[in-house]
Amino acid sequence: DVKVTQSSRYLVKRTGEKVFLECVQDMDHENMFWYRQDPGLGLRLIYFSYDVKMKEKGDIPEGYSVSREKKERFSLILESASTNQTSMYLCASTTQPGGGTDTQYFGPGTRLTVL
Amino acid sequence: AQSVSQHNHHVILSEAASLELGCNYSYGGTVNLFWYVQYPGQHLQLLLKYFSGDPLVKGIKGFEAEFIKSKFSFNLRKPSVQWSDTAEYFCAVNAMNTGFQKLVFGTGTRLLVSP
Repeated sequence: DVKVTQSSRYLVKRTGEKVFLECVQDMDHENMFWYRQDPGLGLRLIYFSYDVKMKEKGDIPEGYSVSREKKERFSLILESASTNQTSMYLCASTTQPGGGTDTQYFGPGTRLTVL
Repeated sequence: AQSVSQHNHHVILSEAASLELGCNYSYGGTVNLFWYVQYPGQHLQLLLKYFSGDPLVKGIKGFEAEFIKSKFSFNLRKPSVQWSDTAEYFCAVNAMNTGFQKLVFGTGTRLLVSP
């Protein structure tokens, strides 16, 4: 079974803090994604990576950056957390670029609250 | 830009009732279509997908979906729901453009099945 793990299920941070969200997958997948999930808005793509050290902006990259130093690990960074970044963050991975016909495998999510 | 519409945001049904959740997308070319489900407290997971062939697709747990190209629709159906189907359901579309292909998600439908 594919396993995608995220470092924290719940996180509370203060405005202005630098926040790191970690994601690890164990299936040697090429592609990894970070989404945020908000009620009534569904899932929105923040960033994705199709190879080590490669990254591309998604639909809502403002206020975020990412790092992919190893194939299995994809980190989302909030340089200076703000209250409007309070959300559920989901990591996913897949073998084919953008999914194609391939299934995206999701982690359990990190619920981030910024006070 | 692609978009995906799920018109029903909340659906409440009694056990044994039939279910149909609507999904429409706005892209005129070739698409891959997915339904994902998120049960309470669990990861987002694939329910079913369509990429070619028979437009009636069967997925897990008795769900099926029908791709109607002329209507740009991919509605999800189940003849008789169970309490355990209580979950949030997301439709997603991957347009077969050139370059990196991203999944675009709908806003989700929360289904509550009362026993």
